[in-house]
Amino acid sequence: SQTIHQWPATLVQPVGSPLSLECTVEGTSNPNLYWYRQAAGRGLQLLFYSVGIGQISSEVPQNLSASRPQDRQFILSSKKLLLSDSGFYLCAWSPLRQGYYGYTFGSGTRLTVV
Amino acid sequence: QKEVEQDPGPLSVPEGAIVSLNCTYSNSAFQYFMWYRQYSRKGPELLMYTYSSGNKEDGRFTAQVDKSSKYISLFIRDSQPSDSATYLCAMSGNQFYFGTGTSLTVIP
Repeated sequence: SQTIHQWPATLVQPVGSPLSLECTVEGTSNPNLYWYRQAAGRGLQLLFYSVGIGQISSEVPQNLSASRPQDRQFILSSKKLLLSDSGFYLCAWSPLRQGYYGYTFGSGTRLTVV
Repeated sequence: QKEVEQDPGPLSVPEGAIVSLNCTYSNSAFQYFMWYRQYSRKGPELLMYTYSSGNKEDGRFTAQVDKSSKYISLFIRDSQPSDSATYLCAMSGNQFYFGTGTSLTVIP
């Protein structure tokens, strides 16, 4: 069966520090991968998605970047965190590009920038 | 106009009540309709999935889609405290959209 791992679960970082969140998927090949941010009362905001190694699409211009160095690995990064980067970050995968059959989410990373 | 509208609640009901959660949408191209359940500090998990119009039942949960009204619902019968969570609707056609979620608390 397919599983998705995301870590760390909680992170507190000072303003201006770098960020690296990692997500890996097991049990499938060529998954479509997504990074979402969830703010209270504002729903899920799609940040990045990837349909293959090295292929990244950005939905929202911001202080973050994403990379996909391996087929089942997706990394969210920042060189210098801002206070506004605080939130709940979720990685997800789907077997089809448009996610017709729904996404499977990781357990999330709660990031607090102080 | 947002693609998907969902009342954020919060909704509080006594144990055993029937719960109705709803979403409206504007894009007639949506064909796949989903409900996710998200417990506090966890990622959303797919609860139910429906294609096009009609009803789908899974235990205490029933999902309804009315494409003519662009309205979807999730009914929870005999609600339990373990149903306390945020419920997000989602739908897709050419793109995938989530509602903002409805927070539900079932009081013992």
